[in-house]
Parts: sequence; C-alpha cells; structure tokens
Amino acid sequence: DGGITQSPKYLFRKEGQNVTLSCEQNLNHDAMYWYRQDPGQGLRLIYYSQIVNDFQKGDIAEGYSVSREKKESFPLTVTSAQKNPTAFYLCASRTPPGGGWVRSGELFFGEGSRLTVL
Amino acid sequence: GIQVEQSPPDLILQEGANSTLRCNFSDSVNNLQWFHQNPWGQLINLFYIPSGTKQNGRLSATTVATERYSLLYISSSQTTDSGVYFCAVRRSGNTGKLIFGQGTTLQVKP
Repeated sequence: DGGITQSPKYLFRKEGQNVTLSCEQNLNHDAMYWYRQDPGQGLRLIYYSQIVNDFQKGDIAEGYSVSREKKESFPLTVTSAQKNPTAFYLCASRTPPGGGWVRSGELFFGEGSRLTVL
Repeated sequence: GIQVEQSPPDLILQEGANSTLRCNFSDSVNNLQWFHQNPWGQLINLFYIPSGTKQNGRLSATTVATERYSLLYISSSQTTDSGVYFCAVRRSGNTGKLIFGQGTTLQVKP
C-alpha cells in the first residue's frame, strides 16, 4: 500500500545525544515536510524539501538538520543543540500541483514519532 | 509571514448537534486543507479546498478566498468527531511552506 512511514513511533533520548527520525514515502511525491507539535499546540514547520538534494528551513529549524539524498526518504536529526526536543514529530509529503494527479497539491501525513528527552 | 487564526479554540457539543469552525488567513492562498487529529495524534485529511464548497457525508467546507476565510461544518455530530481540527494554508506564489492554525479542540458528549 502507498503511504508515509515514520519510525520509530516512540523514542527516548538522554540529554546531549543526537537522534535521527526516519520518514519514508512510496507515493512518488517530490515535496516532503517535517513538523513539530507540542502538547495542546498547532504544528510548526521545521524543514521542507521540494526536490531531491534541496531543502529549506522552516520557522523553527534551529537545532535540527535534514538530508534529502533520495526522493523516498527525508530523515530528520534532532541535535544536542535543540534546547527543548521533547515533542511529537510529524512527517508529510505533498502531491504535485496540476499534472493530472488525483488530489493535486494535497498534504498527507505519517503517524508521527514521539520523542522524549530524559 | 501569513497568519492563520482558527476559532473557536475549544468547543463542547452534545451528540447530534451541528457546529461551524472558522479559519481566517491574512494573505491570498493557493492551498487550504482541513485536518482532523484523532486522540492518537494521527492527522486525517478532511478537505483540500483552496476555494469553493465541498461535502463529504456529515462534513462540508466552504472557502471564500477573496474574503480570506474558510468554514468547516459538522452536522449531527458524533462522539467519534472529537479531537482537534486544523486548517493549513500556503500563500499564493509560495511554492513550499504550508502553515497551520492553532486548531479547534472539539469534544462531543454522548
């Protein structure tokens, strides 16, 4: 089945450690996104990528890094520089605008990864 | 950047009641979506509606792009409708960033 897979679903980390969250999609989408959600809050954009080997900072990129070496994959690294990393992280991909795609331009989400720093 | 405001922030309904959720945005947009976040955190796509009106069962949505707002209607609400409803927009001319509102938390009581 086509979809977006995030792993791990739950992750615990000690302070000072880097951690990488995986996001894989088999929908053949060019654009992919990482959002952060804190309890009772909306989603804030960390990074996004519109094409392989290219990505842009979102509104809260400090303390995070990404790569986009393959179309299917957009991993997010939460570095030790991120001062408050405990959060729910959501990855998404978007169907291209126009071009005959069904539901063109629409954003689809994975199930999320919950990171807790101990 | 574009501002997205949702109202009301919280809403409590009795099962069977109708409701209207609103999303205001501060600039012209070429993409607007409504999502429902269930208690497990999963975001479910409800509507992709940069303009016009769509209906899907008990839910419908209308976006008036020229006046910069969108409405989500829920009729005959059920307990399973509980959760958080988000709208997200992308400013016209911006090819990438989708910005979310803060959400409306809906609780439907039996």
